[in-house]
Amino acid sequence: TQLLEQSPQFLSIQEGENLTVYCNSSSVFSSLQWYRQEPGEGPVLLVTVVTGGEVKKLKRLTFQFGDARKDSSLHITAAQPGDTGLYLCAGEGSGTYKYIFGTGTRLKVLA
Amino acid sequence: DAGITQSPRYKITETGRQVTLMCHQTWSHSYMFWYRQDLGHGLRLIYYSAAADITDKGEVPDGYVVSRSKTENFPLTLESATRSQTSVYFCASKEGAKGGTEAFFGQGTRLTVV
Repeated sequence: TQLLEQSPQFLSIQEGENLTVYCNSSSVFSSLQWYRQEPGEGPVLLVTVVTGGEVKKLKRLTFQFGDARKDSSLHITAAQPGDTGLYLCAGEGSGTYKYIFGTGTRLKVLA
Repeated sequence: DAGITQSPRYKITETGRQVTLMCHQTWSHSYMFWYRQDLGHGLRLIYYSAAADITDKGEVPDGYVVSRSKTENFPLTLESATRSQTSVYFCASKEGAKGGTEAFFGQGTRLTVV
């Protein structure tokens, strides 16, 4: 069974602080994606990582895919209140189109 | 309008009743998915489909039935609703190509079973 475990589950920080969210699995994924979800809405894609060791940057957000394609991290620099939301990693395993989501990290950035 | 739509947005039903949640997408995406999201949690996969007439069980399929007679529609039926099925249900679709294509989500259906 493929599982994606995220940590931490909850995170409350002050504006300007840095943070890292982790997404871990014992399974290999052909790709991994990060989404952000606002209350009352569906998740919206932030980034896709495909190659082991890949690093992508999106303004203050940095995403990394593990060398073995089993884990990923999301780092936010100088967090802002607008970053508040639920962050979800998602992936499809090798040789399958099954698309699963992580357990989620709820981030709150205080002004 | 292009996109993925779910209906209804809100539904209250009684225990034991059958209820169907609708999902329609206009992109002709091959893959479609149903998830449930419970308070404070991520998304758990209920059923998924690679094409018309091809469906597979996800992580939490018990008590649910799906069909996909047409590419654009993927209804989810709760055969005999239970209180534990109170949740927000999201439908998603994505292209069939490998390499991490984006999943697009509907607005969700908030289902309450009383």
